[in-house]
Amino acid sequence: GAVVSQHPSWVICKSGTSVKIECRSLDFQATTMFWYRQFPKQSLMLMATSNEGSKATYEQGVEKDKFLINHASLTLSTLTVTSAHPEDSSFYICSARLGGIKNRVNYGYTFGSGTRLTVV
Amino acid sequence: DAKTTQPTSMDCAEGRAANLPCNHSTISGNEYVYWYRQIHSQGPQYIIHGLKNNETNEMASLIITEDRKSSTLILPHATLRDTAVYYCIVRVGIYNQGGKLIFGQGTELSVKP
Repeated sequence: GAVVSQHPSWVICKSGTSVKIECRSLDFQATTMFWYRQFPKQSLMLMATSNEGSKATYEQGVEKDKFLINHASLTLSTLTVTSAHPEDSSFYICSARLGGIKNRVNYGYTFGSGTRLTVV
Repeated sequence: DAKTTQPTSMDCAEGRAANLPCNHSTISGNEYVYWYRQIHSQGPQYIIHGLKNNETNEMASLIITEDRKSSTLILPHATLRDTAVYYCIVRVGIYNQGGKLIFGQGTELSVKP
């Protein structure tokens, strides 16, 4: 259980276009989701926290107008990279916070498989 | 910023125990320690977490010092498939009140035949 499905797994887009990445919780409701970015050979950097039905909270230095986050339902959060440029090429990963009672398998946060974005 | 420090890399022989240390000297009393690992080009995988007691599951054991300023993740019998980057994370904030995971640099574990 507690699976987060992220789509697409990779995408190539032209500079100046927008790209949408989806993150779905398959067997649980995720009131809170997180979006990370990871450059090669680096660690994950938290970009923003999204709560269902409200505006996302962005980390310092992350442009909210460039990285649009929508969390309109309890099972879906989307990240749209607007007017993408080559420097936006990165590995984007979503994570969902598991609510409710602690279980023996996992408690806390589960991650999607990531999206490799290449802007040409 | 991340509240943990880890060695950049470690090697371990296949079949032996892998002991991965982590320092979190500024940890607060109600902050949990989480361990995740990331195999190349995949999302992080949960391993274990704890507050102050030692924890064990089917994947690993977590040993937290009494003063909670450091911890050790133990993979009892490392296999080649355990080669990955291991992240020790102190959760920032209360779990259901904005708590989030801030990743440090992690330890790149190489399990060798």
